[in-house]
Amino acid sequence: AQSVAQPEDQVNVAEGNPLTVKCTYSVSGNPYLFWYVQYPNRGLQFLLKYITGDNLVKGSYGFEAEFNKSQTSFHLKKPSALVSDSALYFCAVRDMDTGFQKLVFGTGTRLLVSP
Amino acid sequence: KAGVTQTPRYLIKTRGQQVTLSCSPISGHRSVSWYQQTPGQGLQFLFEYFSETQRNKGNFPGRFSGRQFSNSRSEMNVSTLELGDSALYLCASSGEALNTEAFFGQGTRLTVV
Repeated sequence: AQSVAQPEDQVNVAEGNPLTVKCTYSVSGNPYLFWYVQYPNRGLQFLLKYITGDNLVKGSYGFEAEFNKSQTSFHLKKPSALVSDSALYFCAVRDMDTGFQKLVFGTGTRLLVSP
Repeated sequence: KAGVTQTPRYLIKTRGQQVTLSCSPISGHRSVSWYQQTPGQGLQFLFEYFSETQRNKGNFPGRFSGRQFSNSRSEMNVSTLELGDSALYLCASSGEALNTEAFFGQGTRLTVV
């Protein structure tokens, strides 16, 4: 079964500092990995994905993620955090067992950026 | 390009009632998936429809059902509502290729009292 884990419930960072939100995955085969962000009472907003190719993936709003096959990780990063980045972040993997569009999500990490 | 539209945004229902939620996907997308989000269980997959056929189903009781119309719009129905069905229900629209991202609507917040 495909799964992802987000080991931190919350990450606190000061504005202007770099941020990292961690995600590890467990899949059979090659993973299709995604990061989404959710603001209060809103749906999920797509940030970036890893399908194949370069291990460093760039996405929306200055976010990037590093795919590491040996460590089975896909950590989300940003060089300089903004207060407006404060939100709930989800890592997800496509469930390739079924071959369809089902996503399996991590438990989410709340990011708090202080001024 | 219009995004994914979910209606209504908010609903309050009484235990035992039934409810229908609607989702209009992005134009051209034939895959619509539904997820339930709760503080305790997180994001859980309900089902996926593609070209009017359910092709994947999560681990939810039969009270949860859905359908998809020829224009790809989808509805999900929950019968005999329970307090535990209170959640944010999210609809996701996807293209056919597995390497494409899903786009989510803003969700329907269902409160069962």
